Amino acid sequence: DSGVTQTPKHLITATGQRVTLRCSPRSGDLSVYWYQQSLDQGLQFLIQYYNGEERAKGNILERFSAQQFPDLHSELNLSSLELGDSALYFCASSSGQVGLTDTQYFGPGTRLTVL
Amino acid sequence: AQSVSQHNHHVILSEAASLELGCNYSYGGTVNLFWYVQYPGQHLQLLLKYFSGDPLVKGIKGFEAEFIKSKFSFNLRKPSVQWSDTAEYFCAVQNTGGFKTIFGAGTRLFVKA
Repeated sequence: DSGVTQTPKHLITATGQRVTLRCSPRSGDLSVYWYQQSLDQGLQFLIQYYNGEERAKGNILERFSAQQFPDLHSELNLSSLELGDSALYFCASSSGQVGLTDTQYFGPGTRLTVL
Repeated sequence: AQSVSQHNHHVILSEAASLELGCNYSYGGTVNLFWYVQYPGQHLQLLLKYFSGDPLVKGIKGFEAEFIKSKFSFNLRKPSVQWSDTAEYFCAVQNTGGFKTIFGAGTRLFVKA
């Protein structure tokens, strides 16, 4: 158990819908990362937050957005869902301390199925 | 731009065989290096990491990796694999500022019992 929690574990929805995935980081970690893992694209970095602010952006679509709240949990919002958005979505957390080593610890993931 | 290359996408070995998974990166500065493992149906778990010091790093479950700076490589090794090592292995590179971590495409290892 990494200490990172994600809900829900599974999500089944229809095309065009909007969903919210939630992540709680390990105690003491300030940074949260979101990744998408699919069979054809592999593990893709989406976005990183540090202490409530966006720090780095990866291959995140405009239909997707995220935020990190004052209690440090994060939500990833996916809208206008398409079949191709079906994937495992992982959250990871780290201390986020700049200039130091920064190990990411991954949550169990949310499996999203778009029908 | 930073990039990570894992040469083998799929590896099949018999139990007790030795394992070496390649990882090369492209980045001009100082890096931190990681190997993660993802067992079937599970999340990524940290196997080992290199930050500084001895370039030969030992991780969990008998894995080790060697950082060769001149070759920009961080290959993962295990002298004798077990069926339970069947998993996907990801190499990751992070610039020492800690802002960005890039993951390789992964190598799927299947160990035959």
